[in-house]
Amino acid sequence: QVQLVESGGGVVQPGKSLRLSCAASGFTFSTFAMHWVRQAPGKGLEWVSVISYDGSKTYSADSVKGRFSISRDNSKNTLYLQMNSLRGDDTAVYYCARGSARIGTFDLWGQGTLVTVSS
Amino acid sequence: IVMTQSPATLSVSPGERATLSCRASQSVGSNLAWYQQKPGQAPRLLIYDSSTRATGIPARFSGSGSGTEFTLTISSLQSEDFAVYYCQQYNNWPPMYTFGQGTKLDIK
Repeated sequence: QVQLVESGGGVVQPGKSLRLSCAASGFTFSTFAMHWVRQAPGKGLEWVSVISYDGSKTYSADSVKGRFSISRDNSKNTLYLQMNSLRGDDTAVYYCARGSARIGTFDLWGQGTLVTVSS
Repeated sequence: IVMTQSPATLSVSPGERATLSCRASQSVGSNLAWYQQKPGQAPRLLIYDSSTRATGIPARFSGSGSGTEFTLTISSLQSEDFAVYYCQQYNNWPPMYTFGQGTKLDIK
């Protein structure tokens, strides 16, 4: 069925790195922009990053610019988020989300993966 | 662009109407979406372009507004509608999408 499944979350020390993955199935992954959105425990939603359908363009929120990198492998139907120099305020559930036909909105979400940054 | 939702919590009885507000710090035109999130679940897209329902969203959900003031109305609350609702603007280029802090809709 149509779904997104994130993986790669866990506990990591401040300053370390982590890579998240998002496996897509049930739709033509290579034709959709893809996003990462995060949610700190008990808090609201924060858009993190977007990548174009072909990977040629990426944009990120100021809070992660220079530390996080979004990428994709269309041959594997997989989206990635490389997170470097992690900080305590990066602790959150990270969702991958499909960009809908209406650019800027998200019409399919994964179940999320929790990243905890703690010593 | 800062999005501000009000109220933070809204208590409404089943069958009644709920009205949720969202204000943008500057005009976003009609580039405004609403999402519903239930505990332990991912958000779900309800409304985009301020007033267009997403696929499969019941007609009791409606959106309105433009510029800086927006409203989500749920005409007759069902038990499954009690959740947190977020507005989101997508007016920037390059993209710098922002969400409101959420309104929790709970049972009165």
